[in-house]
Amino acid sequence: AQSVSQHNHHVILSEAASLELGCNYSYGGTVNLFWYVQYPGQHLQLLLKYFSGDPLVKGIKGFEAEFIKSKFSFNLRKPSVQWSDTAEYFCAVLSYNTDKLIFGTGTRLQVFP
Amino acid sequence: DAMVIQNPRYQVTQFGKPVTLSCSQTLNHNVMYWYQQKSSQAPKLLFHYYDKDFNNEADTPDNFQSRRPNTSFCFLDIRSPGLGDAAMYLCATSRDLEGENLNEQFFGPGTRLTVL
Repeated sequence: AQSVSQHNHHVILSEAASLELGCNYSYGGTVNLFWYVQYPGQHLQLLLKYFSGDPLVKGIKGFEAEFIKSKFSFNLRKPSVQWSDTAEYFCAVLSYNTDKLIFGTGTRLQVFP
Repeated sequence: DAMVIQNPRYQVTQFGKPVTLSCSQTLNHNVMYWYQQKSSQAPKLLFHYYDKDFNNEADTPDNFQSRRPNTSFCFLDIRSPGLGDAAMYLCATSRDLEGENLNEQFFGPGTRLTVL
């Protein structure tokens, strides 16, 4: 079955620490990849996306992600987190075969000042 | 600002009492989706409309129905809510036209459903 795995369920960091959230998927073929963020009490917002081209994509608020096709991974990174980055982060994969967006279970990030 | 709007934000219903959740969009997107998100879980697609064509997920219970009277509006009807249907319900839209590759989905704020 097609699936998306996020290995870190809950991450706690201090401000200025570096962040890397893992995401792996189990699709074959062409995919579109997304990271969504959900701040407390707010709706899901797109952080960044990969459709094609440069596998290193930059998103809003200093986030970036790297698509490594051979590893079926799309890890999210930020060199220095801020308290305002406290949120739930969801990786999502859209398979061209199924045309459905499948989400990972999410990673809750808490950043302390 | 163009956006996806969901009403109400919070809905309380009784066990077995039908409830309708609404979604509207000003993005003029042709695809609209309904997701169910339970606590600490990933959003799960219930169904979607591609223009007027309804696409139901195989594991979506018959208890869940949807209507899309026009491009802007989409409704989620739960005919007989059970305790297990308590969740956040998310509406999303996307522009998906043949020949284009614009599959980013835009989400509304969600409706949190409580079943008593």
